[in-house]
Amino acid sequence: GQQVMQIPQYQHVQEGEDFTTYCNSSTTLSNIQWYKQRPGGHPVFLIQLVKSGEVKKQKRLTFQFGEAKKNSSLHITATQTTDVGTYFCAGGYGGATNKLIFGTGTLLAVQP
Amino acid sequence: DAGVIQSPRHEVTEMGQEVTLRCKPISGHNSLFWYRQTMMRGLELLIYFNNNVPIDDSGMPEDRFSAKMPNASFSTLKIQPSEPRDSAVYFCASSSLGDTEAFFGQGTRLTVV
Repeated sequence: GQQVMQIPQYQHVQEGEDFTTYCNSSTTLSNIQWYKQRPGGHPVFLIQLVKSGEVKKQKRLTFQFGEAKKNSSLHITATQTTDVGTYFCAGGYGGATNKLIFGTGTLLAVQP
Repeated sequence: DAGVIQSPRHEVTEMGQEVTLRCKPISGHNSLFWYRQTMMRGLELLIYFNNNVPIDDSGMPEDRFSAKMPNASFSTLKIQPSEPRDSAVYFCASSSLGDTEAFFGQGTRLTVV
């Protein structure tokens, strides 16, 4: 079946340092979505990537979708304490099925 | 729109009891997902519906779990009988068809003692 793995599981950084999380799917994806979940909260959509090799930016966040559409990454430049939370990628398996499988998540802790 | 609405927010029940979780998706959305979140297993997709029809229930752990979507504005996830290992946060999410973002409810924290 489809599986989506993320590394690392946990990352602790000093405020101002950069952070990257990586996502890998066992099968080719239709699209990749990224979500952020604050402690005690629910996942909130950040962005969707659809095209092979696509790169998108949101302020200090940079998202990439691999050429083979099986992997993705999220990079945060100069982390802030507000970045704390768990970042999930979610693999979309396409079209009429609309199936969305979440990755294992990366918990980011930022020390002021 | 108030977003995806789940009830109850918290549920504590004794082992062996029946538990019913409820979800009202965003009006106009065609897809509805049920996820279970635990520390050990992360966010697991249990089942999802397109246009009220169950498409994939391969994530449903066992026969004790069942889900229904009788109409476009309501879905239930039932556990009968409940067991302590079912303790988790259960999320409902909805989206439009065509690979669009999923909107999550606040979740139901279930504790089975």
